[in-house]
Amino acid sequence: ETGVTQSPTHLIKTRGQQVTLRCSSQSGHNTVSWYQQALGQGPQFIFQYYREEENGRGNFPPRFSGLQFPNYSSELNVNALELDDSALYLCASSRSPDTQYFGPGTRLTVL
Amino acid sequence: AQSVTQLGSHVSVSEGALVLLRCNYSSSVPPYLFWYVQYPNQGLQLLLKYTSAATLVKGINGFEAEFKKSETSFHLTKPSAHMSDAAEYFCAVGSNFGNEKLTFGTGTRLTIIP
Repeated sequence: ETGVTQSPTHLIKTRGQQVTLRCSSQSGHNTVSWYQQALGQGPQFIFQYYREEENGRGNFPPRFSGLQFPNYSSELNVNALELDDSALYLCASSRSPDTQYFGPGTRLTVL
Repeated sequence: AQSVTQLGSHVSVSEGALVLLRCNYSSSVPPYLFWYVQYPNQGLQLLLKYTSAATLVKGINGFEAEFKKSETSFHLTKPSAHMSDAAEYFCAVGSNFGNEKLTFGTGTRLTIIP
C-alpha cells in the first residue's frame, strides 16, 4: 500500500503568480483534505474533497481552489499569490473519519 | 465549533524522564481526538487517536493518551523519554458528522536533554 505523495517538494513563486500543488492519495482513499501550515503554527484546514465534490471549506478566500480526479488524486490551486501564502501545504487522504494520512507537504515560498 | 489548546509551546525533559504534553479541546459534538508528531521538514505522522471507544489510548513509540470528558482534556504521555522523541507534537480534534475536518492546536516542541 503506497502512502500519500505530494509534488513538488519545494516551490518558489513571486507575488501575483499562480501555483498548482499536487497530491496522490493513499490507495483506496476517496477523501482528500488540504491544510496550510504557516511557520511555527498548526495546520489550518483549507478544504476537503469527497468523490470529486467539495465537502467543506475553511476560512480561505476563493483564490484558493481545488480539484479531485476520478482516481482520487487532487490539486490545490492558488491564484494571485501573496507573501502570506508562504507556508507548508499538507495533503491528507482518508476513507473514514477517524484517520487521515498526511503527505510530506509542499513548501511554498512567495517572494 | 471546535478548538484545541495546547499548553506550553516548548517542553524540555531529560532522557528517561516522563513526557507530558497537555491538550484541552472544545467541541459541540462528540469529538474524535488525535495526536500527530512532526519531525523537521516532514509531514504529520499519526501517534494515536480517540474515537469514542476506550478512554485510554495507546499509540506508537510508547505514547499513550487519556480522554477525560469532565476535564475536556486529552493529554499525551510517555513514561520514559528517548532522544528520538524530539519533535513537534500537535493535538487535533475532529468529528464523525459528515466532514472530516481536523482543527489543530498550535503545537508543542519537545526537546530531550541528554
